[in-house]
Amino acid sequence: NAGVTQTPKFQVLKTGQSMTLQCAQDMNHNSMYWYRQDPGMGLRLIYYSASEGTTDKGEVPNGYNVSRLNKREFSLRLESAAPSQTSVYFCAAQAHEQYFGPGTRLTVT
Amino acid sequence: QKEVEQDPGPLSVPEGAIVSLNCTYSNSAFQYFMWYRQYSRKGPELLMYTYSSGNKEDGRFTAQVDKSSKYISLFIRDSQPSDSATYLCAMSAWGGSEKLVFGKGTKLTVNP
Repeated sequence: NAGVTQTPKFQVLKTGQSMTLQCAQDMNHNSMYWYRQDPGMGLRLIYYSASEGTTDKGEVPNGYNVSRLNKREFSLRLESAAPSQTSVYFCAAQAHEQYFGPGTRLTVT
Repeated sequence: QKEVEQDPGPLSVPEGAIVSLNCTYSNSAFQYFMWYRQYSRKGPELLMYTYSSGNKEDGRFTAQVDKSSKYISLFIRDSQPSDSATYLCAMSAWGGSEKLVFGKGTKLTVNP
């Protein structure tokens, strides 16, 4: 029982490159979330999915897209990476409380 | 006024001290309250989950909710160096799959 898994753990991109962050959960929870965490800013919600087939914008959605592929998987895509997107990205799955993945450390140069 | 306010610290205490971590909130509809612990370079992990007012104890940890004051606390007794982490409060109004509102976190260091 792995809980929430994220890949990759680390990534370095050049400005303008694209990439997809993967998230999967084995807890059968309906809701899934993508956050970014920056020093002094706390967790900021990028996108969330209340159930399979639905996605909604959070606090900081610009520059990102998401796909809820099925109940288990929720991916985050950066179409054209910018240095401002350098951050640590966390995926979470929720029943009542949220369970977080280990994070992806992304650096955009 | 932000929905959830949490003193970012940092907070530094000696081993064995009693630690008090706090959050205030403005939305009187909140009734589900959580505390998460986040070690450096790790994801947040759920520490305590409480509903409505009152206290909940789990080992050295006690979560306290005062809805009349819109104030929640996490107490750590006999603090250990392994408690050194960032602690985030989170809350929601009706539970279920509702989005959580997080505080920004308080960084705690327990010195041996």
